[in-house]
Amino acid sequence: GDSVTQMEGPVTLSEEAFLTINCTYTATGYPSLFWYVQYPGEGLQLLLKATKADDKGSNKGFEATYRKETTSFHLEKGSVQVSDSAVYFCALPASGGSYIPTFGRGTSLIVHP
Amino acid sequence: NAGVMQNPRHLVRRRGQEARLRCSPVKGHSHVYWYRQLPEEGLKFMVYLQKENIIDESGMPKERFSAEFPKEGPSILRIQQVVRGDSAAYFCASSPTPREPQHFGDGTRLSIL
Repeated sequence: GDSVTQMEGPVTLSEEAFLTINCTYTATGYPSLFWYVQYPGEGLQLLLKATKADDKGSNKGFEATYRKETTSFHLEKGSVQVSDSAVYFCALPASGGSYIPTFGRGTSLIVHP
Repeated sequence: NAGVMQNPRHLVRRRGQEARLRCSPVKGHSHVYWYRQLPEEGLKFMVYLQKENIIDESGMPKERFSAEFPKEGPSILRIQQVVRGDSAAYFCASSPTPREPQHFGDGTRLSIL
């Protein structure tokens, strides 16, 4: 079945540092790929998405490129802020005969001033 | 448009009582999912419903837990005879189709005394 593997956290950075959170996936075919963000005390919200190979999703300074060759969808940001402290989830939508999306375990990001 | 609304945000119950969690999906979304999240852990799928029908309940314990999504009104996750181990955050999500990004509520944090 489908699976998503994310780097373990927490990732601790100073403000303005460069961020990479790795995500690799296993899936049948070429599904869309999503990154969600969960701020403290809130639910998940879609951060960005890519629908086909080589697509780059971007939002709020975050970017991720759909790499079919390496089955990866790494999240990057050039200069993080304290307000980016949150948990980030990489995810696959439901596919094939399943109606259930697949989420990674989440990576906690802590940004210090 | 209003997002996914969950209530209550916090719920305290004593062991043996019933907990009833409500979720109103985004207007027009007929696909509803319930998840459970423990601190420092990822999302655990519980149940997927599509208007009046339970489609997949493979992640929900067979005993004490039930879910419904009536034709009129919110989706309900019911936990009977709660135990300490039921303490967690429960999230509801909705989507227009299973293959599109999900919209999450802010969760109900259940505490069992």
